[in-house]
Amino acid sequence: AQSVSQHNHHVILSEAASLELGCNYSYGGTVNLFWYVQYPGQHLQLLLKYFSGDPLVKGIKGFEAEFIKSKFSFNLRKPSVQWSDTAEYFCAVNALGGNTPLVFGKGTRLSVIA
Amino acid sequence: GAVVSQHPSWVICKSGTSVKIECRSLDFQATTMFWYRQFPKQSLMLMATSNEGSKATYEQGVEKDKFLINHASLTLSTLTVTSAHPEDSSFYICSAGKPAAYEQYFGPGTRLTVT
Repeated sequence: AQSVSQHNHHVILSEAASLELGCNYSYGGTVNLFWYVQYPGQHLQLLLKYFSGDPLVKGIKGFEAEFIKSKFSFNLRKPSVQWSDTAEYFCAVNALGGNTPLVFGKGTRLSVIA
Repeated sequence: GAVVSQHPSWVICKSGTSVKIECRSLDFQATTMFWYRQFPKQSLMLMATSNEGSKATYEQGVEKDKFLINHASLTLSTLTVTSAHPEDSSFYICSAGKPAAYEQYFGPGTRLTVT
């Protein structure tokens, strides 16, 4: 069975600090990888996704993630966070092949302080 | 684009009543839709996979007689919470994917409060 681990439960950063959120997955086959963001009181928004090709993926709002197959990792990064990045971040995977359900990590709450 | 809507966005019902939540893909056809549940400050957990024209596939621990799923058309799936209890209060989110595509598109969610 697939599983996703997000190591950081709550991260607190000052504005302009760099961000890296860890995500590791467990699955026996090839997967698609996603990062979603959920702002307070809002629904899920896709930040970025990896299906194949260049393991360094750039998403919206200055976020990027790197897929390291040997480590089963897909860490999310942003060089300089803003107060508006305060949100819950979810890593998710699904099996390659399309139209398969997503397995989510427990989420990481990011608080950015001025 | 690929837009998924849910209705209602928020519902309060009394214990013992039933509530129907709709999930629609507005600009694409979805043979498969997924229903997730998110408790406060927790992650999304898959409840069931809804397939157009066939029975839904439920995850272990999800009561299929309590959470009735109907996927009657390629753009509409419904989740009915029957005989709702306060412990069913949660955020219910659906997603849909385009055929043969990898990405899923999420609805805005429905907040259910059972009193």
